Amino acid sequence: EAQVTQNPRYLITVTGKKLTVTCSQNMNHEYMSWYRQDPGLGLRQIYYSMNVEVTDKGDVPEGYKVSRKEKRNFPLILESPSPNQTSLYFCASSLFARVTGANVLTFGAGSRLTVL
Amino acid sequence: DAKTTQPPSMDCAEGRAANLPCNHSTISGNEYVYWYRQIHSQGPQYIIHGLKNNETNEMASLIITEDRKSSTLILPHATLRDTAVYYCIVSVRDGNQFYFGTGTSLTVIP
Repeated sequence: EAQVTQNPRYLITVTGKKLTVTCSQNMNHEYMSWYRQDPGLGLRQIYYSMNVEVTDKGDVPEGYKVSRKEKRNFPLILESPSPNQTSLYFCASSLFARVTGANVLTFGAGSRLTVL
Repeated sequence: DAKTTQPPSMDCAEGRAANLPCNHSTISGNEYVYWYRQIHSQGPQYIIHGLKNNETNEMASLIITEDRKSSTLILPHATLRDTAVYYCIVSVRDGNQFYFGTGTSLTVIP
């Protein structure tokens, strides 16, 4: 089944303890992206990657790192989490149609992170 | 500056058409309009997208005004399962970045 898989789905951690949220897709998609969702703010883009070793900042990159060493994986790294990073996180991927410019995203199920 | 503007909430009677408006007055010529929906806190689900022409698929229809400053998503026969938050988004930076906004919470009433 074609899907985007995120882990962990739920995590409670403490301030300053490094963590990684993994994202993997099995659709051979070039484009991958991370979002956070907070009440009243909708989804905001954190980082995106157009291909292996190519990443760029979205709207809210502060406090996050990403890497794209393989096409299928796009982990989100919180080096020193803080309580304001408590949020619901979504990973998405797409087969970016470069001829038309359309970019239809497939989302993962989400990872709910709480930083105490 | 908001890329899209949507009403925060709408109701629709079951079996009737649901028409969800979206204003995207600052859209550029090569920017697509996409519609997604999110049920509870699940991952957003793609519905439809368009550039200039009206589009239809098995889920919905998308009507884009001629000046491209607004669009309407039409769910032709709403069911209770269509109760969700609907997001109208546009892509920028050559399609790599998206602005989701806060969407429209649609409630389908029996």
